Formats: sequence, structure tokens, C-alpha cells
Amino acid sequence: EAGVVQSPRYKIIEKKQPVAFWCNPISGHNTLYWYLQNLGQGPELLIRYENEEAVDDSQLPKDRFSAERLKGVDSTLKIQPAELGDSAVYLCASSLDLGTSGRVNEQFFGPGTRLTVL
Amino acid sequence: QKEVEQNSGPLSVPEGAIASLNCTYSDRGSQSFFWYRQYSGKSPELIMSIYSNGDKEDGRFTAQLNKASQYVSLLIRDSQPSDSATYLCAVNEGYNTDKLIFGTGTRLQVFP
Repeated sequence: EAGVVQSPRYKIIEKKQPVAFWCNPISGHNTLYWYLQNLGQGPELLIRYENEEAVDDSQLPKDRFSAERLKGVDSTLKIQPAELGDSAVYLCASSLDLGTSGRVNEQFFGPGTRLTVL
Repeated sequence: QKEVEQNSGPLSVPEGAIASLNCTYSDRGSQSFFWYRQYSGKSPELIMSIYSNGDKEDGRFTAQLNKASQYVSLLIRDSQPSDSATYLCAVNEGYNTDKLIFGTGTRLQVFP
């Protein structure tokens, strides 16, 4: 079974330029997450989708970041304009809702996109 | 601010020894606990999930959970150099929420 797919794997842009990341979750996984990971830190949630609905975007800097998951499958995260401080690894993860009350479903990560803003 | 604390390490153990990795969390409402392994330059890989107090074993890995003391640990038996990586502890933010809070990770070094 294929894992979470992300592209591109690496992106180098100049500040103030736009950038977009794409993610395709594990087949059948209805929940999709975008995380940001800085060097030496754990991943931090940016946004979570259940099917096509964004159910938690409280950590997404909405002035420059946007995301969409139009058909409830693949997703795109966009930054416009990018700033120097946006340099990080952007991780996508997915999970399958097993409907088990009181338990958080296991999340599986894609390979990530390493963004460098010059 | 909900917190997940881990010793950053490095934790150095000889090959064949038991590596013990610890994690504490601040929210008593947390119900789900995960350990991820992250090799340098790679993304986190799920190793174990644990939801109930006690031990859960999977091969060389054992996760231990003590909700009263708010800690979760990961034991790696017969450590191998290939186990050298950063181990991330993740805990759900509170009761009945899917949001995970990650620790900063413990770097494990297994030397031959």
C-alpha cells in the first residue's frame, strides 16, 4: 500500500514569492493534516481536515497561508508571500477514522517538503 | 499551554543494551500516546501507539504508560546501531481531541 505522497520534496524560493505544496494521503484515509517542523523541534499542526472540511486551522497564519482539500482527497498548502522565517519542513500526514471513542487515530507522515526561503 | 517534555539527549547506549526513553505531559485529559522515530533528514515514522495504563510490546519495543504520573516511556531492547535516531513523543492535546502535541525528541545513539 502506498504511503502519503508529497511534492515537491525540496523548494528554494526568494522571499515574497509564492509557493505551493501538494499532498496525497493514504488511500481511504479521511483525515489529513499539515504540519510544520523546524530544525530540532517536533512537528506543529497547521491545519486538519476531516474529508473536505477544515476542522482545526487555529495554528494556520491566515494572512499568508491558505489550504484546500476540495474533493476530500488530495490537498494543497500555499504560502503567499513567503518570508525568511517560513523556511522549514512541511509535513503532510493522514489517518483513518476508526470510530473508536476516546482514541486518537494513528497518523502517518509523508516524506515532507523542505522549503528554503532566501 | 499544553506541554510534552523530553530530554533532548543524546542518549548513548552500547549495542545490545536496553535504551529507555522518557516523556512527560501536562494535560491530564490526554488519552492517546504515540512514539515516532525520525532519522536525520527523514520524516517521522510511527513506532507505537498506547492508550491504556501499563505496557504494550511490539517486537523489541515496549511502550509504558502511567496516566497518574503523566509519563510515557519507550524501551528498546537489544539496541542496534540502526536504532540511532531521534524519538518523538506525541500526546493528544486534551480529552477527545485529535490534535497531537509533539515533544522536541530525544536523540539516541547506539554505538557498536
